[in-house]
Amino acid sequence: QKEVEQDPGPLSVPEGAIVSLNCTYSNSAFQYFMWYRQYSRKGPELLMYTYSSGNKEDGRFTAQVDKSSKYISLFIRDSQPSDSATYLCAMSVPQGGSEKLVFGKGTKLTVNP
Amino acid sequence: EAQVTQNPRYLITVTGKKLTVTCSQNMNHEYMSWYRQDPGLGLRQIYYSMNVEVTDKGDVPEGYKVSRKEKRNFPLILESPSPNQTSLYFCASSGQGGNQPQHFGDGTRLSIL
Repeated sequence: QKEVEQDPGPLSVPEGAIVSLNCTYSNSAFQYFMWYRQYSRKGPELLMYTYSSGNKEDGRFTAQVDKSSKYISLFIRDSQPSDSATYLCAMSVPQGGSEKLVFGKGTKLTVNP
Repeated sequence: EAQVTQNPRYLITVTGKKLTVTCSQNMNHEYMSWYRQDPGLGLRQIYYSMNVEVTDKGDVPEGYKVSRKEKRNFPLILESPSPNQTSLYFCASSGQGGNQPQHFGDGTRLSIL
């Protein structure tokens, strides 16, 4: 079993739709849970960062973590064409005083006008 | 502006010809890391560095070398590149301690013929 599982999609939705992206994981040692957004020909950029189980909201984005089920989600409300990108979940374990990231394979999202 | 800068952005070369991909960050970060991104495999860590002169292997270090002589720079060296090293490479940096998000460069696309 892979440490982090993420459905690669692709996912295509109309503008204004609510988008749900999900990852499951197997390693109980993961401490921090992140969502990165990656546009074509660019590096991943941090979107959301959570530590504990529960919800964290930032504008149109909500990150949800359920440690008991080893499941994390990202919800995008009122999706926009500018949200079209690949979304990567990432989880961290301690490494040399910082954190090593273990990534899901990414879900490619297209929001159609 | 806080950034991680990689050079070159694109490179096509031949098997066995040594090459170096440079990475520089302007955020005074202690931790730096190299990843490669491949279709169906996602992002995988190659090497990381906790500080100047302190480096260690990640998950896929074979065929790569790194050095950390200055805090801001973390070059990736391919002494004898092979076609299986054709990939998209990302450098990332973060501060020390948990809860320190990683910042990524925009990537270097290497093609080894």
